[in-house]
Amino acid sequence: AQRVTQPEKLLSVFKGAPVELKCNYSYSGSPELFWYVQYSRQRLQLLLRHISRESIKGFTADLNKGETSFHLKKPFAQEEDSAMYYCALSGQGGGNKLTFGTGTQLKVEL
Amino acid sequence: EAGVVQSPRYKIIEKKQPVAFWCNPISGHNTLYWYLQNLGQGPELLIRYENEEAVDDSQLPKDRFSAERLKGVDSTLKIQPAELGDSAVYLCASSHGTDTQYFGPGTRLTVL
Repeated sequence: AQRVTQPEKLLSVFKGAPVELKCNYSYSGSPELFWYVQYSRQRLQLLLRHISRESIKGFTADLNKGETSFHLKKPFAQEEDSAMYYCALSGQGGGNKLTFGTGTQLKVEL
Repeated sequence: EAGVVQSPRYKIIEKKQPVAFWCNPISGHNTLYWYLQNLGQGPELLIRYENEEAVDDSQLPKDRFSAERLKGVDSTLKIQPAELGDSAVYLCASSHGTDTQYFGPGTRLTVL
């Protein structure tokens, strides 16, 4: 079985402060990990995926297989980063089936 | 590009009534997904289509839920009869094969 855990329902930070959204997963094989974001009144959209190893909107995430984690980080939070963030996993042979975490609401305060 | 289109955006019905949701995927996307998102939860896959074939419907409650994608393009998800616990957001997504999934705006269902 595959499972994604996001321990924080709400994360509140000040503008300019570092951000780390935690994600831990459970999967016996080699997963593919994603971060999706949903801004207010917008649809769910892909932020980044671990195989791309790229930085999107200043966010990065590194897959740590030893700790089974895929935390999302940004050194300096911006007001426009306020949104709901979902970590998701796709397993081998799963045909691109995504298993999502429960999400973390990021609030960036001025 | 319009993206994934879903209708209706909102639906309020009484329990035991039937309800249907419609999805039009991005042009050229052969894979289509229906997800259920309960309040405070992440989306959960109900069914996945590759063209017109349902290749994963293991999470679809088949006693009351049904789906179809007759021509391999648009899809309809139906609930009959609806129960109070079916109140949720129903999301449709599409992808080209196993590439990035693009989500629609969702249909928010309220069962009274």
